[in-house]
Order: sequence, then structure tokens, then C-alpha cells
Amino acid sequence: GAGVSQSPRYKVAKRGQDVALRCDPISGHVSLFWYQQALGQGPEFLTYFQNEAQLDKSGLPSDRFFAERPEGSVSTLKIQRTQQEDSAVYLCASSLEAQLPAEAFFGQGTRLTVV
Amino acid sequence: QQQVKQSPQSLIVQKGGISIINCAYENTAFDYFPWYQQFPGKGPALLIAIRPDVSEKKEGRFTISFNKSAKQFSLHIMDSQPGDSATYFCAASRKSNFGNEKLTFGTGTRLTIIP
Repeated sequence: GAGVSQSPRYKVAKRGQDVALRCDPISGHVSLFWYQQALGQGPEFLTYFQNEAQLDKSGLPSDRFFAERPEGSVSTLKIQRTQQEDSAVYLCASSLEAQLPAEAFFGQGTRLTVV
Repeated sequence: QQQVKQSPQSLIVQKGGISIINCAYENTAFDYFPWYQQFPGKGPALLIAIRPDVSEKKEGRFTISFNKSAKQFSLHIMDSQPGDSATYFCAASRKSNFGNEKLTFGTGTRLTIIP
């Protein structure tokens, strides 16, 4: 595809439910990032993958949040036992280079609403 | 702890005028300063970026001014057009303890260009 693709676009979950959010990065991009964007705020870093390796998960807010990228392409962000404070837009971004601050291309995001 | 402070929160500018958005940072380890443009329902898109070894960078109608000693940088949009109406985020990047570049975003400025 031409850009970063995320699915679903919208997700409504009941409190306590588990959710899985998918990210298809641009083909060949080494780096993949997940960000959380609360309403009216800037994105906040969650985690970073270089190929299949999750090198930085310092931004994950609790042990209910997991991310994986098993084959170095598609990534899934999983949130267990969702809480109302998890409601946000979850953005995925990918970039071509591993270390340099190369341009990160963002997907449209998944809007998660926990009711 | 807000590492990148952005102002104003919202801005209304007449068509043809100059839009100015300001950001300030605290961490001197930041080494890359991008600006992102975000339209409703879309992910952020890179607009222009600067490194701290230059004081100004211009691309078309968009200019970043950077003051390293004051730890401030700003985005100027010349000849502002209705199509520029969007939310703008400044960001700052530094290398994390894990070796990856990590973006810290400001809180965003909602820009509206009126005819």
C-alpha cells in the first residue's frame, strides 16, 4: 500500500474487554512506532520496534498494554481489560531508517472508546 | 511533565496573513525539531524540520526559526490560506536510552484561516 494502514478505524469496547489494534506499515520500513493521542492533546510515545525487535517499550502506561511485530512488518497493539482512561486515538508510524531521525509516516489511527 | 510547551492553543488568521506558532523545550538532549500538520480524522504529517545547528529553515511558505540559547523554536506560515486550517504540532526528538530516536510532541495549535 501507499501509506501506513491501521484497522479498525473505530473500536468501541466495554470496560474489561480485550482489544487488538492492527498496523500495516509502509513496505520495507524498518522502524515502527505506536503513539497514544488523547482528545485535544499531542501524540505520546508508547513503544518502538526495529524490525521484529521491540527495543523501547518505556511509554506503555501499564502491564495491560502489549505490542508485537513478529515478522518485522505488521504490528498489533493489544490492550487487556480496557479501562475508560484507555479511550484515545492510537497512532502507528513507520520510517525507513533505524537510527537517524528519518521522516515518520503516520497512519490515520484507531479511535478507541471504552464504555 | 511537559517537555515541549506550545502556544497558542488556537489561532485565527486572516487569509494572506502570517501565522506564528511558538514552542519551547527544556531538555538540551533534543537534536531534531519537526513540525507536523494534522487534519481531522487523519494522522500527523511532517511539514518541515530543523536541526539545532541552524537558526532558520524555509520551505515554500513555511519557515522554522530556531533559538538554541533560548531553547525556543517557531513556525511561520506566510500568505496563510484556508487550506492551511489544521492542527499543528511541534515536536522534539532525542535518542532514547535504547538507541532509537523518540519524538515528544507539543499540545497542538488549532489554526483557522478566515477569508
